[in-house]
This record gives sequence, structure tokens and C-alpha cells, in this order.
Amino acid sequence: SQQGEEDPQALSIQEGENATMNCSYKTSINNLQWYRQNSGRGLVHLILIRSNEREKHSGRLRVTLDTSKKSSSLLITASRAADTASYFCAPYTYNQGGKLIFGQGTELSVKP
Amino acid sequence: GAGVSQSPSNKVTEKGKDVELRCDPISGHTALYWYRQSLGQGLEFLIYFQGNSAPDKSGLPSDRFSAERTGGSVSTLTIQRTQQEDSAVYLCASSLVATLTDTQYFGPGTRLTVL
Repeated sequence: SQQGEEDPQALSIQEGENATMNCSYKTSINNLQWYRQNSGRGLVHLILIRSNEREKHSGRLRVTLDTSKKSSSLLITASRAADTASYFCAPYTYNQGGKLIFGQGTELSVKP
Repeated sequence: GAGVSQSPSNKVTEKGKDVELRCDPISGHTALYWYRQSLGQGLEFLIYFQGNSAPDKSGLPSDRFSAERTGGSVSTLTIQRTQQEDSAVYLCASSLVATLTDTQYFGPGTRLTVL
């Protein structure tokens, strides 16, 4: 099964700044998903990017995927204090069935 | 509509006791997943159910862990003879089907503390 590795482990920025988190993986994927987790509880799905897509936007989120480098990045523009959370990527290959394998995540802190 | 719910939200137990954690998936979702999140281990997959198919148990850490899904809906994760290393937040998720493009919706989790 495929596991993503997020980088950096922790990121601290000021409100209004942009936050960039990276995800690397090892083998070919069918898609890659990003999730957010607040306060160590349930995860919330943010965005899914397919292997044939290079960039995807959702509100203030921008996700890129570079399959040649086996990496993805999540950019949050004009960050807010409410964006403070842990962010996880989940690269997915068809033979995993339905399960997602998460990395350790990036802990983002946005200071007002 | 209602999201994934889990109960209890917090559980404190003594080492050696059995515990049961419950998950109510979103109505109509055929796939249900259990994950565990503990300090130093990140977010680990435990088990998932897809319809009437045999569950994928590949993530269960030991035979003390088991899960059932009755009637294709509610699921119970049972941990027998709990150990301190079982302390973690147990997360349940569901999706319409277990496909490669399907979003998983997570519950709020059960925080288990084993004394």
C-alpha cells in the first residue's frame, strides 16, 4: 500500500501569509487526496487530484501533482487562524481497495 | 444529513479489560473504515468493510482487535484485554463505496485511555 510523507512536519506562519505543504510518495498512483484534521479528531476531506491532473483549485486551496517527481503540494493562500490544523496527504493506488494510508501529517499553526 | 457518529466520545478503562467502540456510518454508505491515531504512530488503517465482501483486516495490530458490521450499517470495534499501548483516538469513516475516487467521511473519534 502507498503511504505519503508530508513535509515539513510543522509550519508556523502569520495570518494572511501563504502556507505550502508537500507530500512525497514512492510508487505510481491513481489519485492523491488531502485531508485536514482539527484538534486531533475527525478528518475532513479537502481535495482529490487524479493522476492525469497537474493542478486543482478549491477556494483558497491549490493542489499540484507532479507524477514524474512523485510529489504533490498543497498551497493555502491568505491563511486564517481557522486554518490551524494538521494536514495529511493520502496517495492512492487501485490495488489498495478502499483504505487510505496516511503519513504523519504537517501541523500548521496560523498566528493572528 | 447526519454525518458519521461514534460512541463513546471518550473511554477510560483499566488494563486487561475489554472495550467496545461503536460507529454509525452515513446512511446508504456501503464502505466503512476504522483507523487509529496515537502519539508517535500517526494515523493507521485498521480494517474496512465493503458491502457483503469479506473485510480487509490487514491493519489490525493483533488478534485482540476485532470488528463487526451488522446489517451492513453499524460497526463495533472490540479490543480484548486492553494494553496501555492501545491508548489512542479511534476514528471511523464511511464512503458510498470503496472506490478509488470516493471521499471518506470521518466521525469525531473515540479517545481511548488505558490506565
